[in-house]
Amino acid sequence: GESVGLHLPTLSVQEGDNSIINCAYSNSASDYFIWYKQESGKGPQFIIDIRSNMDKRQGQRVTVLLNKTVKHLSLQIAATQPGDSAVYFCAEREAAGNKLTFGGGTRVLVKP
Amino acid sequence: GAVVSQHPSRVICKSGTSVKIECRSLDFQATTMFWYRQFPKQSLMLMATSNEGSKATYEQGVEKDKFLINHASLTLSTLTVTSAHPEDSSFYICSARATGKTYGYTFGSGTRLTVV
Repeated sequence: GESVGLHLPTLSVQEGDNSIINCAYSNSASDYFIWYKQESGKGPQFIIDIRSNMDKRQGQRVTVLLNKTVKHLSLQIAATQPGDSAVYFCAEREAAGNKLTFGGGTRVLVKP
Repeated sequence: GAVVSQHPSRVICKSGTSVKIECRSLDFQATTMFWYRQFPKQSLMLMATSNEGSKATYEQGVEKDKFLINHASLTLSTLTVTSAHPEDSSFYICSARATGKTYGYTFGSGTRLTVV
C-alpha cells in the first residue's frame, strides 16, 4: 500500500505484482509528460513519455495513462522486479514551452 | 542514444571557494541545457535554462551572480557555484535537449556538492 513519508510517498509492492504510481498536475496548458526513474545518487532516467493528444501509451512492462479532464497521470509497471526499486518522478512541459516541471516523486520499494 | 556527461560526480569544497560543474552532450548538439538542484528526498527544482551563445534564464529566487552559467558551445554548459556556503550543498543535475528536437530530455548523472 501507500504511505506518506517525511518527504516522499512510498509504494511498497511485492515482487511480481503490478505497480501503479500516480501524479496530479496543475497546469492545464501542459501538453507533454514524461516519467523518470531515479536511483540513489544518479540522474533521472527516462522511462516513457506521452503527448496530450494521447491518453495511453505502452512500453516494455510500462504503461502511461493520461487523463486531461482531471489532470492526472499514472505509470503502471507490470511484474515489478527488485531492479524497479527507485524514486519515480513525473514531469510536465507547457505547450510551446521549453522547461520541465517535476512532480514530488514516489518511492517504490519492491519486496522479494 | 543521447548521452549527457556531467563532471565531477562528487566534489567537496571549502566555504568561500568556487566550484565549476561541467555538462556535456556527447553525441548530439544541444542549443538548450537545463540546470537543476535536488535536496535529499525532494524533487528536482529547475535553477536555470542555459542557452548557447546567450545569457542563461534563471528561475525566480535563483541568484544569477552566485550560480554562474556559461554555454559557450553546442555541447558544453558549465555551472559555477561562487563563494560556496554549506547551504549550497546539494545534488546538481543538468539536462539537455537536442537542437531542433521538440521532445526528449536527457539527464546527466548529477554532481554531489558538499561545502564544508
